Amino acid sequence: GAGVSQSPSNKVTEKGKDVELRCDPISGHTALYWYRQSLGQGLEFLIYFQGNSAPDKSGLPSDRFSAERTGGSVSTLTIQRTQQEDSAVYLCASSPGTSGTNEQFFGPGTRLTVL
Amino acid sequence: DAKTTQPTSMDCAEGRAANLPCNHSTISGNEYVYWYRQIHSQGPQYIIHGLKNNETNEMASLIITEDRKSSTLILPHATLRDTAVYYCIVRVQIKAAGNKLTFGGGTRVLVKP
Repeated sequence: GAGVSQSPSNKVTEKGKDVELRCDPISGHTALYWYRQSLGQGLEFLIYFQGNSAPDKSGLPSDRFSAERTGGSVSTLTIQRTQQEDSAVYLCASSPGTSGTNEQFFGPGTRLTVL
Repeated sequence: DAKTTQPTSMDCAEGRAANLPCNHSTISGNEYVYWYRQIHSQGPQYIIHGLKNNETNEMASLIITEDRKSSTLILPHATLRDTAVYYCIVRVQIKAAGNKLTFGGGTRVLVKP
């Protein structure tokens, strides 16, 4: 079956522009996570959705970052007024739920480059 | 979540077993040990997890010491496609708060022909 998909795969933007990154989770997965991986850095958690609500936004680095999820499926991560330090690979993951020990399934990521 | 310590890198010969250690000396009783790996230019991939018993699946085996302060991931017959960064993660399962993963530096494993 289809895995987690993300679009675009690559995005180059100019400093100050807004960008939207999209994640399509595995069908039926209620939990959705956004992470980012900067060059030479580890993966860091950004935000978690259960259904359409986001009980944990603790990893969003600033108020320029926001995310939403509609219909319990697709999620969009928006970065306003992009800065060069926002350059990273943004990864989305989904899991069946939050009970027990659900593994997370990751998408291929969106590579964002801010010039 | 408890902190983990892993070697920065290790090499392994193709066809041989790869033994990846992880230290988690501050682990608490309700924390699970998870292993993920990230092949170059791909998203992380779940491998295996355990609480206190040893576990085995089609990808690997997980050996957890009796005191749970350390564990070893075993890839029984490493192939070139197993070249990746392997992450050991210790995590509590809290349903209401989700199960976000906290990744450390991991171990960069290079499988050589």
